Amino acid sequence: DIVMTQSPDSLAVSLGERATINCKSSQSVLYSSNNKNNLAWYQQRPGQPPKLLIYWASTRKSGVPDRFSGSGSGTDFTLTISSLQAEDVAVYYCQQYYSTPRTFGQGTKVEIK
Amino acid sequence: QAQLVQSGTEVKKPGASVKISCKASGYTFTSYDISWVRQAPGQGLEWMGWISPYNGKTNYAQRLQGRVTMTTDTSTSTAYMELRSLGSDDTAVYYCARVDNSGLLDYWGQGTLVTVSS
Repeated sequence: DIVMTQSPDSLAVSLGERATINCKSSQSVLYSSNNKNNLAWYQQRPGQPPKLLIYWASTRKSGVPDRFSGSGSGTDFTLTISSLQAEDVAVYYCQQYYSTPRTFGQGTKVEIK
Repeated sequence: QAQLVQSGTEVKKPGASVKISCKASGYTFTSYDISWVRQAPGQGLEWMGWISPYNGKTNYAQRLQGRVTMTTDTSTSTAYMELRSLGSDDTAVYYCARVDNSGLLDYWGQGTLVTVSS
């Protein structure tokens, strides 16, 4: 199984400041046939189901604000919120969809400082 | 717009079984797999497996093999997940999610809380 490890477990950021979350996979999730990283980011607000934010490591889902961006390749990935808003308070999960079982990171809780 | 609506809260005794439904609308049910993910209280997300409504093929997480069965009813566009021999560590919110052609979980149900308690 591919193990996904996020850091930090939690972070507190002032409104308008940058939040950065890291995700590391135990093996590469880069699919050689299309040169795409099978890595997604989900946002889970309190009491809500997860919501897909970013896929192929860096492609925002339609409707997701452009303050959210993803980067990285191979085994190391980053989710950045460029200017934190109150509605961004949530737990963020990375997930690999390279192989089964699909696996998630443990989650990173983002709060307002 | 795709929508997945799940059945309501369940309370079960240890050793019992639970069967949760997930009714899909707004898209062609047989064109997308359905995945199930669970989340224990205060914990992260655990992928349980998926089923193809098109041909009924399934892929289950190894740790749940033998206890979980995923089925679909294409006449009602409904997916089901049955979990048997429940223990306290099966207490969780269970989500169904649509799997797009890339393997992404693009639409989620609202979740079903299952509490296992004597």
